[in-house]
Order: sequence, then C-alpha cells, then structure tokens
Amino acid sequence: GIQVEQSPPDLILQEGANSTLRCNFSDSVNNLQWFHQNPWGQLINLFYIPSGTKQNGRLSATTVATERYSLLYISSSQTTDSGVYFCAVGLYNFNKFYFGSGTKLNVKP
Amino acid sequence: GAGVSQSPSNKVTEKGKDVELRCDPISGHTALYWYRQSLGQGLEFLIYFQGNSAPDKSGLPSDRFSAERTGGSVSTLTIQRTQQEDSAVYLCASSLDAGYQPQHFGDGTRLSIL
Repeated sequence: GIQVEQSPPDLILQEGANSTLRCNFSDSVNNLQWFHQNPWGQLINLFYIPSGTKQNGRLSATTVATERYSLLYISSSQTTDSGVYFCAVGLYNFNKFYFGSGTKLNVKP
Repeated sequence: GAGVSQSPSNKVTEKGKDVELRCDPISGHTALYWYRQSLGQGLEFLIYFQGNSAPDKSGLPSDRFSAERTGGSVSTLTIQRTQQEDSAVYLCASSLDAGYQPQHFGDGTRLSIL
C-alpha cells in the first residue's frame, strides 16, 4: 500500500502563532484530503486537494503531486485549532484510502 | 442537511459475541467507507462501497469481519466472535462520489470488548 508520513508528530503553539504541517506519500495519488479530529473525536474534512493550492479562512493547503507531498498552513492559531490533523491519500481505481499517523496540535492561550 | 449517522454510539459486549454496527450516509452520497481507529492511533481503512457494486474486502482484518450495503444506502459492519483486540472506534464516511469528492465522517461507534 501507499505509505503516508506526517510531520511533526506533535506540535505546541502559543495562540496567534503560525505553523506548517507536512504530509509525504510514497506513490502517485489522485485523491488527497486533510482532516481535523477535535478533542471529542469528531473528524472534519478541511480540504480535498490532490494538487494545487486552496485557502479557507486561516487555513490553506498546497499539494505538489509530482514531488509527493502536501502542506497544511495554519495562521494566527487559536485554541480551537487543537486536535489531530490527518492527511489521507487514495487511488481512485484501487478503492483504498490511506491515513497518516497524524500531527497532534496543542494551541495554548 | 443531516450528516452521516452511526449507531450505536457506544457498544460494550463480551468476548465471543457478535456485534452489528450501522451507518446511514448522507442522502445522495454513492460512496461509503468504513475505518477503524484504535486508541491514540490513525485510521485503518476497512472497506469501501461504491453504489451497488461489490466491494473490495481485502482491507478487512479477518474473516470475522463482514460488511454489506443494502440498496446503495445504509451499511452494516458485522464482527463475529468478537475479540478484545477488536476494541476501537469504528468510523463511517460517505462522499458524493468515490474518487474526487471530500469524505464526511460520522461520530463513530466506540466498541469495547470485555
């Protein structure tokens, strides 16, 4: 299967700081998504981004498919951003989806 | 509109019993996914359904696990002869189509095997 590596595994930020989370994957993919799992376990889809750049408020993401990585940017972090951020990739024809092990973010007031 | 609905939200059962978990996807979503998340871990892909097509079952961890989807909508995940290592949160997601749409997750079923 496809290997998905996320870094850093843990991140502590002071409220208001910016951060970059990285996702590397081992094979060509045509489906890449970023998710946020809040402290209550709910998973929220942040971006569907197999290539290119997208922005949604304080969050943005960039995927460079040819180099097999994606970046998630969080600007002006807030305590509500705390939780685990997952990157997940898939190949449409292979009917499987692979999650990374996540980046655990703790934003302190 | 309503999101992905999973039931029960919690299930505690004795080792060796069978359990059935239910997922009701977002109306109109043709793709449905099952995942398992052990405590503090990432998500493990189990199985995926696209419409009424037969699923690829190779991601299921053992032959005690089975899944079906009736009428291209509601799905059930069944675990027979449960073992303690089956304890986890079982998550279901759906998307408008399989390959090119974002997945939307339910709140999961927390399964505890005593």
